[in-house]
Amino acid sequence: KNEVEQSPQNLTAQEGEFITINCSYSVGISALHWLQQHPGGGIVSLFMLSSGKKKHGRLIATINIQEKHSSLHITASHPRDSAVYICAVTLTSSNYKLTFGKGTLLTVNP
Amino acid sequence: EAGVAQSPRYKIIEKRQSVAFWCNPISGHATLYWYQQILGQGPKLLIQFQNNGVVDDSQLPKDRFSAERLKGVDSTLKIQPAKLEDSAVYLCASSLGQANTEAFFGQGTRLTVV
Repeated sequence: KNEVEQSPQNLTAQEGEFITINCSYSVGISALHWLQQHPGGGIVSLFMLSSGKKKHGRLIATINIQEKHSSLHITASHPRDSAVYICAVTLTSSNYKLTFGKGTLLTVNP
Repeated sequence: EAGVAQSPRYKIIEKRQSVAFWCNPISGHATLYWYQQILGQGPKLLIQFQNNGVVDDSQLPKDRFSAERLKGVDSTLKIQPAKLEDSAVYLCASSLGQANTEAFFGQGTRLTVV
């Protein structure tokens, strides 16, 4: 079992829809990261969380430390949001190594 | 602030050839990571440096892969000889190397081995 599990693996939405991507982890972490990767592109850090909730524009990330679960929400989705969204965690035991989920491929259709 | 620089962006080689990738991290970042991302999968850590020392290379196939960060700044990752299954995007990332600090990623090098 992977230390970081994401769901769904693939997600297709219509423009304007509210989107949720989930991430669960099974280990002790010092931080959780949400990353965005466009096709052929590098990775961009969206959020880093250790507790609570963060918001940036139409993106909201939440984390529940007790349940070892985080969600990434996109409000009023747009085709330019189409990308792979990756959840990664910094393990408390690992010299700040990032452990990644497999990613969620989001496609937003106009 | 300049980001993490990687070169080349794309590389196509034949199997059994050698290849090298270069990474220049963000200035002042002590930690440098090399990740391998095979199509459809999440990145897998190959090696992590703290300054010029290796922190974790447990998943680096040492019979063919090598990496160095001699002066604790930029780094090179080499594959020799390459195999077909090495086709992937090789991502470099850097961070301050402290708890709860973000990692910043380069654009990656897409390697195709034919």
